Amino acid sequence: DSGVTQTPKHLITATGQRVTLRCSPRSGDLSVYWYQQSLDQGLQFLIQYYNGEERAKGNILERFSAQQFPDLHSELNLSSLELGDSALYFCASSVGAPSFDYNEQFFGPGTRLTVL
Amino acid sequence: AQKITQTQPGMFVQEKEAVTLDCTYDTSDQSYGLFWYKQPSSGEMIFLIYQGSYDEQNATEGRYSLNFQKARKSANLVISASQLGDSAMYFCAMRGDPWGAQKLVFGQGTRLTINP
Repeated sequence: DSGVTQTPKHLITATGQRVTLRCSPRSGDLSVYWYQQSLDQGLQFLIQYYNGEERAKGNILERFSAQQFPDLHSELNLSSLELGDSALYFCASSVGAPSFDYNEQFFGPGTRLTVL
Repeated sequence: AQKITQTQPGMFVQEKEAVTLDCTYDTSDQSYGLFWYKQPSSGEMIFLIYQGSYDEQNATEGRYSLNFQKARKSANLVISASQLGDSAMYFCAMRGDPWGAQKLVFGQGTRLTINP
């Protein structure tokens, strides 16, 4: 158990709908990362938040948005869903402060999203 | 930009044999970190081992070791005395400049199957 929790574990929805994925980082971790794992694109970084502020953005679609709340949990909102958004969405957390020592990122169990 | 290449889509190994999973990387950063993660069929991402670009010694963690050859830009994972439970997908990843985006860039992965 990595200490990172994600809910829900599975999500099945229809095209055009909107969903929210939730992540609670490990105790003490200030950074939250979102990754998408799909068969055709592999594992891709979406976005990072550090202590409530957006820190880095990757290949995140405009239909997707995220935020990190004062209690450090994070939510990833996916809207106007398309079939191609079906994927495993991971949240990861780390201590996060810029450092010469690379803090490993601990991954949650993932949310498997199926868009029908 | 950073890139990770894993050239072995699948590998089959007899139980108790050692196995080497290949990883090459490309980056213009002077400082970077290299990681290996294991993803069993259950889907979670498990951190295995980390190597810093300035580390002079190869990293080791139990049965896992990282064969780091900086001049060749390779960071191969060596698993000694393989076990049936080692059957999984293995991903090599890197992080670049610690003061920049702290995202992980992943390779496409290698599916390792341990035969009894």
